Amino acid sequence: QKEVEQNSGPLSVPEGAIASLNCTYSDRGSQSFFWYRQYSGKSPELIMSIYSNGDKEDGRFTAQLNKASQYVSLLIRDSQPSDSATYLCAVSESGGSNYKLTFGKGTLLTVNP
Amino acid sequence: KAGVTQTPRYLIKTRGQQVTLSCSPISGHRSVSWYQQTPGQGLQFLFEYFSETQRNKGNFPGRFSGRQFSNSRSEMNVSTLELGDSALYLCASSRNYEQYFGPGTRLTVT
Repeated sequence: QKEVEQNSGPLSVPEGAIASLNCTYSDRGSQSFFWYRQYSGKSPELIMSIYSNGDKEDGRFTAQLNKASQYVSLLIRDSQPSDSATYLCAVSESGGSNYKLTFGKGTLLTVNP
Repeated sequence: KAGVTQTPRYLIKTRGQQVTLSCSPISGHRSVSWYQQTPGQGLQFLFEYFSETQRNKGNFPGRFSGRQFSNSRSEMNVSTLELGDSALYLCASSRNYEQYFGPGTRLTVT
């Protein structure tokens, strides 16, 4: 059974700090990796995708991928109270099923003003 | 560009009944995936359709089925509803691997 593990949190950071969210996955052949943000009572919103080793930056968000360690992370710089949400890590299945995603249970982030 | 739409947004059904949920993808997106979200199990993949064909399937019983139409709109059906089927059902449309979710259908089985 393919697994995606995340710290459930809650992770609490002060406004303006860097929030670091981590994710490990078991399927060594996975090719596509995603971070979603889900506000309470809402559906998940895609915030980052990453496909190759290294860092990918988009505004205040940086995704990091290390396939050898089977590790994905998301850094949120200058955290804002509006970033308070559950962050879901999603990993595609190996074998060409890039549209079949396995999700972690999510990390609840709270940014304190 | 309009996002993914799902209807209905809320449903209450009784055990043993069946239900059909509908999803309209983002214009130009041909892949539609369905997920079930519950507090205990999180988000779980149900199936994915592309060009009217089921391309991927998750580990759900045969009571869960779906289909896709030529305009890429998709429906999923759950027959013989059980209490454990109460969940948020999410549809996602995609192009180039990135999946964009609709608002979901909240199904309550009593």
